[in-house]
Amino acid sequence: DIQLTQSPSFLSASVGDRVTITCRASQGISSYLAWYQQKPGKAPKLLIYAASTLQSGVPSRFSGSGSGTEFTLTISSLQPEDFATYYCQQLTSYPYTFGQGTKLEIK
Amino acid sequence: EVQLVESGGGLVQPGGSLRLSCAASGFTFSSYWMSWVRQAPGKGLEWVANIKQDGSEKYYVDSVKGRFTSSRDNAKNSLYLQMNSLRAEDTAVYYCARSHYDYGDLWGQGTLVTVSS
Repeated sequence: DIQLTQSPSFLSASVGDRVTITCRASQGISSYLAWYQQKPGKAPKLLIYAASTLQSGVPSRFSGSGSGTEFTLTISSLQPEDFATYYCQQLTSYPYTFGQGTKLEIK
Repeated sequence: EVQLVESGGGLVQPGGSLRLSCAASGFTFSSYWMSWVRQAPGKGLEWVANIKQDGSEKYYVDSVKGRFTSSRDNAKNSLYLQMNSLRAEDTAVYYCARSHYDYGDLWGQGTLVTVSS
C-alpha cells in the first residue's frame, strides 16, 4: 500500500498567516492527489484534486502543488473558517489511502 | 438538492451484520463511481471500498475483504454496504461519497456503526 505522511500533524497559526502543509508519498503517485478539509462532526470537503486543481466553489486562497512523491497545500491568508483538519489522499492505486491529517488550530 | 444521505448505522455485537444505505438525489447517480470511507472515533479517514457505475467493478481495503460487500441499485439511486463478521475495529462513522474522476466531490453526513458487546 502507498503510505502518505503529512507534516506537520499539528499547526498553530493566526488569522492572516500563510500556511503550508506537506504530504509525502512512499512511492510516486504522479498527480493523483486530493486535499480535503474536515471540521468537527462534519463530512470531509474536497478542496483540491489532481494535486493542483481547485474544486469549484473553494476560495482561491487555497492552492496545491507537487507531483511524484511530494505535495503541498497552501492557504495564502488564513481566515477564521479555515481552522480545521486537512487530509491528503492518493488515488493512483488501491487502496486509496489518506494521510494521517493535519490539525490547524488558532494561535 | 444534490445530496447523499446515509442510514442503517447502529449498535451491533461482534460477529454481527449490518447493512448501510446511501440515498442519492439531485444528480445522475448511475453516471458515477461511488465510494465508502470510514472514520473511527477521534481518528483519521480510511478509504473502505468503491464501486463502478454499473457495479461490475468493486475494490476494497484489505481489512474488510471477504466481510464487506458494496452494491448499488441505480433504479433506486442507492448505494449499499453489507457488513458481516463485524469487529470492534470496524467501529466508525461511515461516509458514502460520489467519485468525480475518483475524487470524492460530494459526501453524505455519515452514519455511526458501533461494534460492541
